[in-house]
Amino acid sequence: DAKTTQPNSMESNEEEPVHLPCNHSTISGTDYIHWYRQLPSQGPEYVIHGLTSNVNNRMASLAIAEDRKSSTLILHRATLRDAAVYYCILRDVGGNMLTFGGGTRLMVKP
Amino acid sequence: GAGVSQSPRYKVAKRGQDVALRCDPISGHVSLFWYQQALGQGPEFLTYFQNEAQLDKSGLPSDRFFAERPEGSVSTLKIQRTQQEDSAVYLCASSPTGTNYGYTFGSGTRLTVV
Repeated sequence: DAKTTQPNSMESNEEEPVHLPCNHSTISGTDYIHWYRQLPSQGPEYVIHGLTSNVNNRMASLAIAEDRKSSTLILHRATLRDAAVYYCILRDVGGNMLTFGGGTRLMVKP
Repeated sequence: GAGVSQSPRYKVAKRGQDVALRCDPISGHVSLFWYQQALGQGPEFLTYFQNEAQLDKSGLPSDRFFAERPEGSVSTLKIQRTQQEDSAVYLCASSPTGTNYGYTFGSGTRLTVV
């Protein structure tokens, strides 16, 4: 399975934008890029996913590099409730399971 | 219900005891997954069902672990003769079929083996 690399932790100030990077240099043409986040004492929560084009939804934006070897999850205005572990995951178009790495722990300061 | 429901929320078992963990997926979701999450780690895949068929059980750590979904809805993860290394949060997720959907996870069952 193609692997992803994320920083272990990041800090942000409340109400500022946050850019969470993910490297996936061995991504294949059929891999979707998925992002999940996990708040304390909860199960992971789906955030967003994309294949080639940038994607926006009510939670976040996903910016995908032209060569698809990296992507960035963008939280436009961080709140204290966004403090969580964020996982970047590659999922093959024909695959089913998600393979989680260590993720990035985002800390939001008031 | 609106989400994936797991019960019990917490379970303490004595070493050697059998446990059964329940997952109620979102109604109509074809796919169901079980994951194990150790403290401070990301979730690790255990097994996958499509309706009642268990299509992948490659992540089950030993033959003490058994999962079923007999009618294609509720699923049970059973662990026989629990050991201390089984202590973890067990997460269940469901999704419609296809890759254009995210998974919905439950809040998990925290199993502590003493």
